[in-house]
Order: sequence, then structure tokens, then C-alpha cells
Amino acid sequence: DADVTQTPRNRITKTGKRIMLECSQTKGHDRMYWYRQDPGLGLRLIYYSFDVKDINKGEISDGYSVSRQAQAKFSLSLESAIPNQTALYFCATSGEPGTGGDEQFFGPGTRLTVL
Amino acid sequence: AQKVTQAQTEISVVEKEDVTLDCVYETRDTTYYLFWYKQPPSGELVFLIRRNSFDEQNEISGRYSWNFQKSTSSFNFTITASQVVDSAVYFCALSEPNTGFQKLVFGTGTRLLVSP
Repeated sequence: DADVTQTPRNRITKTGKRIMLECSQTKGHDRMYWYRQDPGLGLRLIYYSFDVKDINKGEISDGYSVSRQAQAKFSLSLESAIPNQTALYFCATSGEPGTGGDEQFFGPGTRLTVL
Repeated sequence: AQKVTQAQTEISVVEKEDVTLDCVYETRDTTYYLFWYKQPPSGELVFLIRRNSFDEQNEISGRYSWNFQKSTSSFNFTITASQVVDSAVYFCALSEPNTGFQKLVFGTGTRLLVSP
């Protein structure tokens, strides 16, 4: 089974709808992240959480909110989806840094289309 | 501010050719980490390598090799004898101590197309 799972894998929705993307991990990691990928722009950080009580905005948090329901679960919400939120969304996790720079493990991605 | 530049948007090669993907980074810190990730057509992100700023030794893993040069702030990735399965988008990324090394800044990626 995959260590980091995302649901749904694909979603088409309409402008103004509320959408929740879910992420679960079995790696036992404290740190979780949400990124979006747009063609030609690479991955940009939306929100990150270093533990259940610690949630931080990333580079492009406007229009998004998150919830860390448990160590293993980190959800991303679009309260009122708009077309420019059409993108590929990735969840990632990382462990407590030992000497630093531990790699992030990514989920399979959720392709979201907002019409 | 930290920044990662992958100037090559797309590279096309024929199978068995060698290819180098460039990565140039900007940081004010002396301690940092650099990464390469691969994104095949299926879409997932696959970790390839992590290198800390104090280790400038080149690394080789099979057909893959990495050349880290602090003097030019570059961390280039070479695939020797490329194969069709190497076709993917490759991302270079940077993490720094002011984020606890836990936030990655990605380049925009280089799409590699390997034709038979």
C-alpha cells in the first residue's frame, strides 16, 4: 500500500463550489505539506504543518484553508473554487530532521478542474 | 531570497545519448540542501537525490550522476545512455535552515523527451 494517499485522484467541479482534498499517510511523519503544480511554474507551497497544532501559510495560501485532523491526516479546502485553481495538487510528508534536509515523500496527486 | 532556476524548459534526445539537466540556485546561507525529483508521465514525484552544501563530491548512481559546484551555485544532473523510460519532468529543489530545512523551493522543471 502507498505510504501517502490522496483522495480524490481526479475532480471536476464548478465555480463557487466548496471542495475538500484529503491526504493520509502511514509513514508516521509529523510534517505534512500541500503544493500545487501548474504547467511551467513547478510546485508551489500552499500550506504546511509541522504537527497537529502547528499550521502555517505557504507561498500561495489565498483562497485555501487546511485542517490537520490527526497526525496522519491533512486536508486542503477550497471554500469557493475558481477556475484559476485548476491545477495538480500534491500532498507530501517528511520526518523529524536528523541532520537536516530529510526528503519529502509525495502522494500521487489530485487533478482538480474548476469550470 | 532563495531561488532555483532550471533554464532548460524541454530537452529532446535520442535513446543512448547522454543528457545533462542544469540547476542553478540562489541562497544566502552556507548550509542548505539540494534535491532532484523525477515526475514521470504517470504524475507522481519520485525522490532521486539529496545533497548537503558541505559535500561537493560528485555522486553516481547507475546511469545517473550529479555534479555539485558551490563556486557556480549549480547542481547539475546527467543521465548517461538515456532510455525511453527516462522521459519525465525533472525538478531541482532547495531547502534552507531558516525553515528548519523543511520547506522546499522548486525550480520550474525540465521536461526530458527520450525517443527510440
